[in-house]
Amino acid sequence: EAQVTQNPRYLITVTGKKLTVTCSQNMNHEYMSWYRQDPGLGLRQIYYSMNVEVTDKGDVPEGYKVSRKEKRNFPLILESPSPNQTSLYFCASIGTSPGELFFGEGSRLTVL
Amino acid sequence: KNQVEQSPQSLIILEGKNCTLQCNYTVSPFSNLRWYKQDTGRGPVSLTIMTFSENTKSNGRYTATLDADTKQSSLHITASQLSDSASYICVVRGWATSGTYKYIFGTGTRLKVLA
Repeated sequence: EAQVTQNPRYLITVTGKKLTVTCSQNMNHEYMSWYRQDPGLGLRQIYYSMNVEVTDKGDVPEGYKVSRKEKRNFPLILESPSPNQTSLYFCASIGTSPGELFFGEGSRLTVL
Repeated sequence: KNQVEQSPQSLIILEGKNCTLQCNYTVSPFSNLRWYKQDTGRGPVSLTIMTFSENTKSNGRYTATLDADTKQSSLHITASQLSDSASYICVVRGWATSGTYKYIFGTGTRLKVLA
């Protein structure tokens, strides 16, 4: 079954404590992306990756890092989380034309 | 500026009734437009995709239309069911200045179907 798997699904942490949200896809997609979803703002792109070792900033990259060492994995790293990073995060992988987005189930992060 | 606007923001209807959700976009150049359904606390799931040359496409009780001239799309839900209660997100794929494609998301319409 085609899947995008995120972990953890829920996390409560404190300001400054580094955390990583993992994302893995089993569809051999080259393109992967991270989004955050906040009430009234819709989904906003944080970072994306066109292929292994190729990453680029999206619209709201501040405070986040990513890496793409393998095609299937695209972890999101918060080096020093702050309360304004409290949000619902989605990882997505994108198939070939016409480029359907496949989303993970989401990771709800709360930073105290 | 590339934007996708959806209306209404929220909608409440009775089970069995029809409804129509609207999406206006200013994305240029345009590649395609998708409607996604997002259940509470879950990831969005694709319902339909519309390319430039398509006017209407159906997926069961969901029918999407696209008017590329006026840059408007609609999603019509027929004979609504309780399971249709969700947020519906319009997503337009365009092209970024870097030459890669870019997805622009609407803020969604939250639909509530009552028994």
